[in-house]
Amino acid sequence: EAEVAQSPRYKITEKSQAVAFWCDPISGHATLYWYRQILGQGPELLVQFQDESVVDDSQLPKDRFSAERLKGVDSTLKIQPAELGDSAMYLCASSLGWFGTEAFFGQGTRLTVV
Amino acid sequence: DQQVKQNSPSLSVQEGRISILNCDYTNSMFDYFLWYKKYPAEGPTFLISISSIKDKNEDGRFTVFLNKSAKHLSLHIVPSQPGDSAVYFCAASGRAGGGADGLTFGKGTHLIIQP
Repeated sequence: EAEVAQSPRYKITEKSQAVAFWCDPISGHATLYWYRQILGQGPELLVQFQDESVVDDSQLPKDRFSAERLKGVDSTLKIQPAELGDSAMYLCASSLGWFGTEAFFGQGTRLTVV
Repeated sequence: DQQVKQNSPSLSVQEGRISILNCDYTNSMFDYFLWYKKYPAEGPTFLISISSIKDKNEDGRFTVFLNKSAKHLSLHIVPSQPGDSAVYFCAASGRAGGGADGLTFGKGTHLIIQP
């Protein structure tokens, strides 16, 4: 069964260090999303790509976060420098890109900033 | 300002009975609604969806009801099974400009199925 791949599963980093997460969406899925989930909350959208273009990054803290999907397939989310408040689950999801189709999520990367 | 609200943080139901999870939304631009199920340390798994042109959608033991006038939807699970114990997220999407259709999630309801 096709699935969204994310790595690493877990990451511990020190405050002010740089950290990066990788996502490989389901093959053929044009739309890719990055979400952040803080414990006890629902996932919150950080950025949405349609192929290689950013469609929505209104909630991305651009002073420290960046995201790219250079060839319209896999994607990288980077945080530099990491802050204690960035500790969360970072989830990648993909969809076919037509409105009304569901998004499929990866297993996520659990980030702990110490 | 929460646009999708799940007011019950947890719900306990006896195995075999009906589980009803509720969700309210405030944004009238939302026109596609989904339920996701999440186990600890895993990503959310899609369960069932409904578009705003319908008021009911059924898939096996899962049925979602949408009341647009009340801006309310509910997920019914019948009969409830032990494997249904998980956190359930209600999510909504609307066709914003430029193709942006990211989901807005509620905080989730932890469903516990008692044997």
